[in-house]
Amino acid sequence: GAVVSQHPSRVICKSGTSVKIECRSLDFQATTMFWYRQFPKQSLMLMATSNEGSKATYEQGVEKDKFLINHASLTLSTLTVTSAHPEDSSFYICSARWGDGYTFGSGTRLTVV
Amino acid sequence: AQSVTQLGSHVSVSEGALVLLRCNYSSSVPPYLFWYVQYPNQGLQLLLKYTSAATLVKGINGFEAEFKKSETSFHLTKPSAHMSDAAEYFCAVSTWGAQKLVFGQGTRLTINP
Repeated sequence: GAVVSQHPSRVICKSGTSVKIECRSLDFQATTMFWYRQFPKQSLMLMATSNEGSKATYEQGVEKDKFLINHASLTLSTLTVTSAHPEDSSFYICSARWGDGYTFGSGTRLTVV
Repeated sequence: AQSVTQLGSHVSVSEGALVLLRCNYSSSVPPYLFWYVQYPNQGLQLLLKYTSAATLVKGINGFEAEFKKSETSFHLTKPSAHMSDAAEYFCAVSTWGAQKLVFGQGTRLTINP
């Protein structure tokens, strides 16, 4: 089946620094990837949709300059949290459309101290 | 636009008892419906999906769901709960050609010994 590999699984960074999260489609080409954010005991909130070779489409209320998304190839999409602050601490999950369904990465726990 | 409502943020059953997790959807076009399970600090694992084929869908780990158009429902069931079923469950909706997957609020399933 289609596998999306997400790294790192956990990251702790200092306030004001930037963190990059990678998602790779291992055995298929992902034209479109989705980035979600999940707060504790809550559902997944779609942040943005990234399309290979074009600009990402951000959901309303998501800061484009804070959450930079790059989808430079058919197998790699990255999310960079810039100038991170403690309120950016969350669980971030990527996903790709596969056939008539979706496959998800294993998630990244970001803690900003 | 599509939306999903999961009735009950927390469901608790005894080991060996029937599991019933409720999901109602709203969609102006024929929906694709999904149930995912999430264990702590992990990504989402697909349990089953409905994409306009058989209305009774069987998934992994003994789960199944029935698509009822007249009731706009897609409830998840399992005849006999196991301790390992304790997790967070998400119902989600998409449509053919749509990019987004819209999630319900999630239901936390607790299994009592």
